[in-house]
Amino acid sequence: EAGVTQFPSHSVIEKGQTVTLRCDPISGHDNLYWYRRVMGKEIKFLLHFVKESKQDESGMPNNRFLAERTGGTYSTLKVQPAELEDSGVYFCASSQGTGGTEAFFGQGTRLTVV
Amino acid sequence: GENVEQHPSTLSVQEGDSAVIKCTYSDSASNYFPWYKQELGKGPQLIIDIRSNVGEKKDQRIAVTLNKTAKHFSLHITETQPEDSAVYFCAATDSWGKLQFGAGTQVVVTP
Repeated sequence: EAGVTQFPSHSVIEKGQTVTLRCDPISGHDNLYWYRRVMGKEIKFLLHFVKESKQDESGMPNNRFLAERTGGTYSTLKVQPAELEDSGVYFCASSQGTGGTEAFFGQGTRLTVV
Repeated sequence: GENVEQHPSTLSVQEGDSAVIKCTYSDSASNYFPWYKQELGKGPQLIIDIRSNVGEKKDQRIAVTLNKTAKHFSLHITETQPEDSAVYFCAATDSWGKLQFGAGTQVVVTP
């Protein structure tokens, strides 16, 4: 069974440009989460989808970040326009259930804004 | 909201010795406490978890303890091996599965 996959693995963009990250969760997992780790700090929650609906987007930093999950399958996270402080590793995770259920993580997308 | 603190930030141990990482949490509603291991270039991988109705859980060389009254939980790795070198994260979560992570512990096992 394929795990959670993320594309691209690494992206370098200039400040002001747009970047779109993609996450393909494990098939059948209704719950999809985005997290971010900035500069060696803790991994921080960004948002949670249940199928195609946003259950919790309290961690989204600002309106430059837009997440979608059309059809309840893969998800995209778009940053527009990117700023230097957006640099970090973006992780996607999926789970079959919610609390108390193992969340499986992708390998992450390392975003560098220069 | 939930706040998880993790100590130490770095831990260097001799191969064969034990490693202990400690975490505290603030939200008494948290009921699931997973531990993740992250190796270089990979995503976090679950190594062990514990639920709030359990005080201790063991899986081979790894064990986790939970004290709900004191709101702290710990990871114990015995007989450490070089392949245990990685960053370890503790986390706490509520019923929706939103993980609140600690800052991570860089474990280095020296031969």
